[in-house]
Amino acid sequence: GQQVMQIPQYQHVQEGEDFTTYCNSSTTLSNIQWYKQRPGGHPVFLIQLVKSGEVKKQKRLTFQFGEAKKNSSLHITATQTTDVGTYFCAASNAGGTSYGKLTFGQGTILTVHP
Amino acid sequence: DTAVSQTPKYLVTQMGNDKSIKCEQNLGHDTMYWYKQDSKKFLKIMFSYNNKELIINETVPNRFSPKSPDKAHLNLHINSLELGDSAVYFCASSRNRGYEQYFGPGTRLTVT
Repeated sequence: GQQVMQIPQYQHVQEGEDFTTYCNSSTTLSNIQWYKQRPGGHPVFLIQLVKSGEVKKQKRLTFQFGEAKKNSSLHITATQTTDVGTYFCAASNAGGTSYGKLTFGQGTILTVHP
Repeated sequence: DTAVSQTPKYLVTQMGNDKSIKCEQNLGHDTMYWYKQDSKKFLKIMFSYNNKELIINETVPNRFSPKSPDKAHLNLHINSLELGDSAVYFCASSRNRGYEQYFGPGTRLTVT
């Protein structure tokens, strides 16, 4: 089945530093979604990327989808303590009986030290 | 107004018992899901229903049985609970297949 590898598993940063998490797949993805889960909370949808080479920004967050649609990244500029949580990428099956099934990456747990 | 709700929030039970977790969404979505999140935060799909029809059934022990009485509800019944079933179970819904998913608050199941 589809697999999505996400690195790093953990990231500790000082407040104000930048942070990046990466997702890679051996197969071409139809689209990729990103979610954030605060400690003790539930995953919350951030964004969906569909087009090859797509770049989307949400304030200090920048999301990229690779040209070959096999990788994606989430970059946070000047982290704040409110950015703490686990960030997941999730690849969606394009069609067939499993259309819409999300395969989640392992997640990156971000800790921000004040 | 809660979009996706689950009950109970916490469930502590002994091995061998049978338990149910309920999920309801008031978003008018057609598709609902059950996920299991283990202690390492890994999120894995278990089941998905689209308009009350089972569309995704991952490799899950048949002790787990989902039921969707209508498209706003997706319940999960677990028979003969085992220690390894301890996890957080999330319900989610989406407008339709392939759209972003909205997760419930989770049910932390502890089997002793």
